Amino acid sequence: QVQLQESGPGLVKPSETLSLTCTVSGGSISGYYWSWIRQPPGKGLEWIGYIYYTGSTNYNPSLKSRVTISVDTSKNQFSLNLSSVTAADTAVYYCARLGTIWGQGTLVTVSS
Amino acid sequence: QSALTQPASVSGSPGQSITISCTGTSSDVGGYNYVSWYRQHPGKAPKLMIYDVSKRPSGVSNRFSGSKSGNTASLTISGLQAEDEADYYCSSYTSSSTWVFGGGTKLTVL
Repeated sequence: QVQLQESGPGLVKPSETLSLTCTVSGGSISGYYWSWIRQPPGKGLEWIGYIYYTGSTNYNPSLKSRVTISVDTSKNQFSLNLSSVTAADTAVYYCARLGTIWGQGTLVTVSS
Repeated sequence: QSALTQPASVSGSPGQSITISCTGTSSDVGGYNYVSWYRQHPGKAPKLMIYDVSKRPSGVSNRFSGSKSGNTASLTISGLQAEDEADYYCSSYTSSSTWVFGGGTKLTVL
């Protein structure tokens, strides 16, 4: 069955760029929408954005100026870049096939 | 975009039924039949329980049901079980072609 796995640094310095990759296994990335969602410690879920396998994107308006989501169909991966991070960006970051299949999540802490 | 409104907490005894509401606007919940519900146990990823307002993914118990009236969607869990104790989140597609989540509801099984 389709599985998703997030990977990337667990610690990012303030003002730097957070970069995560989601690897899709057990199925093709083609034909679907893929999302990034985050959850600050002890808080609720926040939708970050999605990408279609063709590369078209849409982002949360509150993050739009700092977010880029890209896709690499040859590697069956999609990625998240979040620039100019602050402590408020500390969260568990999840990748998902829209909302149906989720990765296990990865904690990213923003701290110097 | 503003988060959808959910009650912070609900509770029920084993065997009872509970309902969690999710209130939005005509630009999200009320405008589209794309409301989903997720269950999240502590330290775990969310799990899809209901999609497209009232559809259940394969493998999800028929104790879970969803509905919508106007700008408010609802999740009903019947025959409460201890394993149902978790946080529940709704989400909706919006007129901006984005998605928005509710603030989450903590379900306690007494």
